[in-house]
Amino acid sequence: TQLLEQSPQFLSIQEGENLTVYCNSSSVFSSLQWYRQEPGEGPVLLVTVVTGGEVKKLKRLTFQFGDARKDSSLHITAAQPGDTGLYLCAGVDRGSTLGRLYFGRGTQLTVWP
Amino acid sequence: DAGVIQSPRHEVTEMGQEVTLRCKPISGHDYLFWYRQTMMRGLELLIYFNNNVPIDDSGMPEDRFSAKMPNASFSTLKIQPSEPRDSAVYFCASRQFPTGVEAFFGQGTRLTVV
Repeated sequence: TQLLEQSPQFLSIQEGENLTVYCNSSSVFSSLQWYRQEPGEGPVLLVTVVTGGEVKKLKRLTFQFGDARKDSSLHITAAQPGDTGLYLCAGVDRGSTLGRLYFGRGTQLTVWP
Repeated sequence: DAGVIQSPRHEVTEMGQEVTLRCKPISGHDYLFWYRQTMMRGLELLIYFNNNVPIDDSGMPEDRFSAKMPNASFSTLKIQPSEPRDSAVYFCASRQFPTGVEAFFGQGTRLTVV
């Protein structure tokens, strides 16, 4: 059973379109992270959100942490081919002091020129 | 720092053979994680260490898998005997918690068992 559910699993869009991907859980997390993974590489951190309701922007990417700290979304405006990759969310267990990260299965995004 | 270093990048082995994957974490990081990634199951946590001590190995599939961290700068993941279903990309990641929230991943080892 996945602690973090990501949707959609696959997304294929044209350059210039907007998109939103979701990360949901029934558990509360102390913080939530978004990573992007490119083929042949390990995941790389994009952002960490900590406070319920927090919104962070990274150029055309907007990240939001749910008020209850159980879910998050990633919105990309005017997607570009360079945004292609696997987007993973990861949660830090609120009850844990041991640093464990729980990963979702990811959303595979393909942006066509 | 060169980041998390994994070796080898690719490994092809025959069923039944022993496979050893290696990882050098970032200096000063006190947490080390071993993950396995497949299309079917995504990124699965196999085991993680804190200050060289295994904390949670509940993700290790079975007794064929073992991991060690003899010192702060080196860890191994061993599969003996290997099976075709072990074919996957294995990632090592390190982290400094709680002062640092980011997990830094290596480039992974693509294992193929034929």
